[in-house]
Amino acid sequence: EAGVVQSPRYKIIEKKQPVAFWCNPISGHNTLYWYLQNLGQGPELLIRYENEEAVDDSQLPKDRFSAERLKGVDSTLKIQPAELGDSAVYLCASSSQLDGEQFFGPGTRLTVL
Amino acid sequence: AQSVSQHNHHVILSEAASLELGCNYSYGGTVNLFWYVQYPGQHLQLLLKYFSGDPLVKGIKGFEAEFIKSKFSFNLRKPSVQWSDTAEYFCAVNTGGFKTIFGAGTRLFVKA
Repeated sequence: EAGVVQSPRYKIIEKKQPVAFWCNPISGHNTLYWYLQNLGQGPELLIRYENEEAVDDSQLPKDRFSAERLKGVDSTLKIQPAELGDSAVYLCASSSQLDGEQFFGPGTRLTVL
Repeated sequence: AQSVSQHNHHVILSEAASLELGCNYSYGGTVNLFWYVQYPGQHLQLLLKYFSGDPLVKGIKGFEAEFIKSKFSFNLRKPSVQWSDTAEYFCAVNTGGFKTIFGAGTRLFVKA
């Protein structure tokens, strides 16, 4: 079974530039999560999708972050414009069960210069 | 607010030593509990989970964890660590539906 796929794995941009991350969840997983992980910390939820609906985006900084999951499968997370403080690892995870077990992708490490 | 606390940020052990990593959470309702592990250069993966029943759960690679409801704790243990256990360990608590909160993680380094 293929795992959660993310791209790119690494991204270096200058501040004020836009950036986008892509995630393909495990086939059949209706729930998709985007997390932010800063160095030395655990993952923090940015947004959760149930199929194509964003059901929890309370922690997403909506002035510069946006996300979509148009067909209920792949998802894209965008930052525009990026700030120095956005440097972090962006994780995507998916789940099929209400009990909360999640399967994580490798993450995208973003560096904003 | 709900939170998960992992008491040790860094742990250094020699091979064959016993391991116990602490995890406490603040939530009064029913919870599902998880330990995830991230080996160097790899993605987060599930180590073990507790939903109900026997509070002592066993996971992969000889790890186990004990849920003590009265202490709001879910500590991870392994009787004898190996060099290959060097990794970062995250405790996570699901408080209902799909809401999961992660601890800050504990970095374990095992000396060969």
